[in-house]
Amino acid sequence: GENVEQHPSTLSVQEGDSAVIKCTYSDSASNYFPWYKQELGKRPQLIIDIRSNVGEKKDQRIAVTLNKTAKHFSLHITETQPEDSAVYFCAASKGNAGNMLTFGGGTRLMVKP
Amino acid sequence: KAGVTQTPRYLIKTRGQQVTLSCSPISGHRSVSWYQQTPGQGLQFLFEYFSETQRNKGNFPGRFSGRQFSNSRSEMNVSTLELGDSALYLCASNSGAAGNTIYFGEGSWLTVV
Repeated sequence: GENVEQHPSTLSVQEGDSAVIKCTYSDSASNYFPWYKQELGKRPQLIIDIRSNVGEKKDQRIAVTLNKTAKHFSLHITETQPEDSAVYFCAASKGNAGNMLTFGGGTRLMVKP
Repeated sequence: KAGVTQTPRYLIKTRGQQVTLSCSPISGHRSVSWYQQTPGQGLQFLFEYFSETQRNKGNFPGRFSGRQFSNSRSEMNVSTLELGDSALYLCASNSGAAGNTIYFGEGSWLTVV
């Protein structure tokens, strides 16, 4: 089955700096890659997603890039703010296999003011 | 529009007992999936239901089961509880079309003592 690896597991940055989280996946049939942000004690919330027919997607300070050949995708957060502190999860799924997400292990992002 | 609603939010059970968790998806959503979140294993897929049928199943023992009703509401059941079943159980819903946004509920915190 699919395997998603996520790095780093923890990331500490200064407010205003950029943060990059990387994920690799194993199943070349995966074609949908969402990113979720989970604050302590709360639900995972989708922050951005990308489909395999697109190489990059941006939404204000957040961007995701996808390299299908290398089977990896990355989350980029620019101008980080303390409220960006949370655990971020990447995930992958195969479009023709329903809605089963395989998650990476998560990255705890700490933004220091 | 109301989000994904899960009940109960918190519960404590004794080893050997069984538990039933409930999930009401976003109105109009026909796919409901369940995930287990633990510090050690991260977010793991349990199963997905679509139109009252199990469409996907993760690698969990048969003690974990679920069902979906005609109104798309779903329940999951864990029988013969073990200490290791202590976790946050998350329900997620989407329209049913693969690759569409998956929305999570707040989860049910289960503690097995």
